[in-house]
Amino acid sequence: QKEVEQNSGPLSVPEGAIASLNCTYSDRGSQSFFWYRQYSGKSPELIMSIYSNGDKEDGRFTAQLNKASQYVSLLIRDSQPSDSATYLCAVNPRSYNNNDMRFGAGTRLTVKP
Amino acid sequence: EAQVTQNPRYLITVTGKKLTVTCSQNMNHEYMSWYRQDPGLGLRQIYYSMNVEVTDKGDVPEGYKVSRKEKRNFPLILESPSPNQTSLYFCASSSPGREQYFGPGTRLTVT
Repeated sequence: QKEVEQNSGPLSVPEGAIASLNCTYSDRGSQSFFWYRQYSGKSPELIMSIYSNGDKEDGRFTAQLNKASQYVSLLIRDSQPSDSATYLCAVNPRSYNNNDMRFGAGTRLTVKP
Repeated sequence: EAQVTQNPRYLITVTGKKLTVTCSQNMNHEYMSWYRQDPGLGLRQIYYSMNVEVTDKGDVPEGYKVSRKEKRNFPLILESPSPNQTSLYFCASSSPGREQYFGPGTRLTVT
């Protein structure tokens, strides 16, 4: 089992719809969770970070964390064509001092005008 | 401006010719890391460093070396590059447990 798993996609949604991206992780003691957006050939950029169970909203983005189910998701409301990118889920394992971020392979999102 | 810089951004070289990719950050981060990204495989960690003079192997360290003599710099060294090291490389830095900040990437081609 991979440490961080994402559906590779591609996920296609129409402009204005809600895009839902999902991620599961294997280390039950993981403490920190991040969503990055990566455009083709560019570096990943942080979209959201979440550290406790529940929802965290930032503009059109909502991150949801469920540690019991080892599941983290990202919702993008009112999707725009500029949201078309690959979204990477990243998980930091249990040890605060062992900063060994684990990345999923990414989900490619296409927003169609 | 807070940033991570990498040089060069693009490099084409030949098998066996030693090369160094530099990485520097101005955020006083303790943690720095190198990743390679290949189609379908995502980001894979090569080496990381938790502070000056402290480095450790990631998932794919074979064929690479690193050093951390200063807090801001974390160069990646390929002593004898081979074609299977053709990839897109990213340097990243962070405070422990926090989000990572990525450099712009170095696209390396080894012929």
